[in-house]
Amino acid sequence: ETGVTQTPRHLVMGMTNKKSLKCEQHLGHNAMYWYKQSAKKPLELMFVYNFKEQTENNSVPSRFSPECPNSSHLFLHLHTLQPEDSALYLCASSQDRGGTEAFFGQGTRLTVV
Amino acid sequence: KNEVEQSPQNLTAQEGEFITINCSYSVGISALHWLQQHPGGGIVSLFMLSSGKKKHGRLIATINIQEKHSSLHITASHPRDSAVYICAVRKNNDMRFGAGTRLTVKP
Repeated sequence: ETGVTQTPRHLVMGMTNKKSLKCEQHLGHNAMYWYKQSAKKPLELMFVYNFKEQTENNSVPSRFSPECPNSSHLFLHLHTLQPEDSALYLCASSQDRGGTEAFFGQGTRLTVV
Repeated sequence: KNEVEQSPQNLTAQEGEFITINCSYSVGISALHWLQQHPGGGIVSLFMLSSGKKKHGRLIATINIQEKHSSLHITASHPRDSAVYICAVRKNNDMRFGAGTRLTVKP
């Protein structure tokens, strides 16, 4: 248990669906991250929030829409996804955006059909 | 070419063996992380180091900043050590990840 909780753990959605991934941490951390892990590829950083403000968007398609209503919660809203978006989506948090240790959630395994 | 290279990609060992996983990187970094990912997908941070050596139980991590190289050692390996081990480097305010080393320890 790392203190970072992601729901759901598994999600199957159609290409026309709209769904959301949720991440929650009560570690008092100020920075939260979304990562994507595709099969046989390294982890890719998608979005970074620091003190609820988005500080980084690594050229992620607009069909992925993040939301950070407070420093404890992070959402990833999904709409009109493609089968190639099927992957493990990992949330992480750290005390700040700098060189502190990151704590990861268990991930949501997403399958787009 | 990935900025973070790990070797080997896959490793099978017998229980009790000493294991070494290597990580080389090509960029200047402020810190290096070793992560463990179990089959369910969850990731646990094992070490964060910027110089020298750290030890936690049967795990030892070393880093040589001049050579841009780090190693993760597991002593007296056990089947529960079976997982994917990921090297990650922090560059400025970003993290770059290796592709991971899949370790299988057989009883």
